[in-house]
Amino acid sequence: DQQVKQNSPSLSVQEGRISILNCDYTNSMFDYFLWYKKYPAEGPTFLISISSIKDKNEDGRFTVFLNKSAKHLSLHIVPSQPGDSAVYFCAASVQSGTYKYIFGTGTRLKVLA
Amino acid sequence: EAQVTQNPRYLITVTGKKLTVTCSQNMNHEYMSWYRQDPGLGLRQIYYSMNVEVTDKGDVPEGYKVSRKEKRNFPLILESPSPNQTSLYFCASRGTGGLQPQHFGDGTRLSIL
Repeated sequence: DQQVKQNSPSLSVQEGRISILNCDYTNSMFDYFLWYKKYPAEGPTFLISISSIKDKNEDGRFTVFLNKSAKHLSLHIVPSQPGDSAVYFCAASVQSGTYKYIFGTGTRLKVLA
Repeated sequence: EAQVTQNPRYLITVTGKKLTVTCSQNMNHEYMSWYRQDPGLGLRQIYYSMNVEVTDKGDVPEGYKVSRKEKRNFPLILESPSPNQTSLYFCASRGTGGLQPQHFGDGTRLSIL
């Protein structure tokens, strides 16, 4: 039972355009959501997060949107740059208690120069 | 520099030969965790530890052991490795209190022949 789903295995975007990566979840108890970026031969690097009490969080070119009623979150990258080419994982957690994290399967983003 | 260090980075071994992957963090984090990454399956949690001497199973604990005798170290033990444990392994840590992301090591690629 996949509680966190990233239905798009890959995405290609032209440099300078917007990249939108999507993530769906099933567990309504999740209250903390994160996006990680992963380059080959490196560990995942934290990118941005959002608490369930918010619907938007912005950090520079990166914005995460949370739609609790739809159990959906998305990561927007504007403008996209070639250095953004990586695998992006979304993750969800219940922060009270065990801090257990559930990750999606990842979306490979390729930004074309 | 704040970091999570895993060793070894690469290991090829044979079925049944006990091995240990070490993980150490220098951020004084209470929470540590082990994940494995497999194609199409994303990051799956093996074990996690909320603090010294406190460990619990993640989603795929079978065939693995962990121990947490010191705050900074969280080794992953494969008592009798099998080929289905061939994977890319990541250790992560985070502090407690508030909403904090996990910090990951650079990974250990294990091949069990």
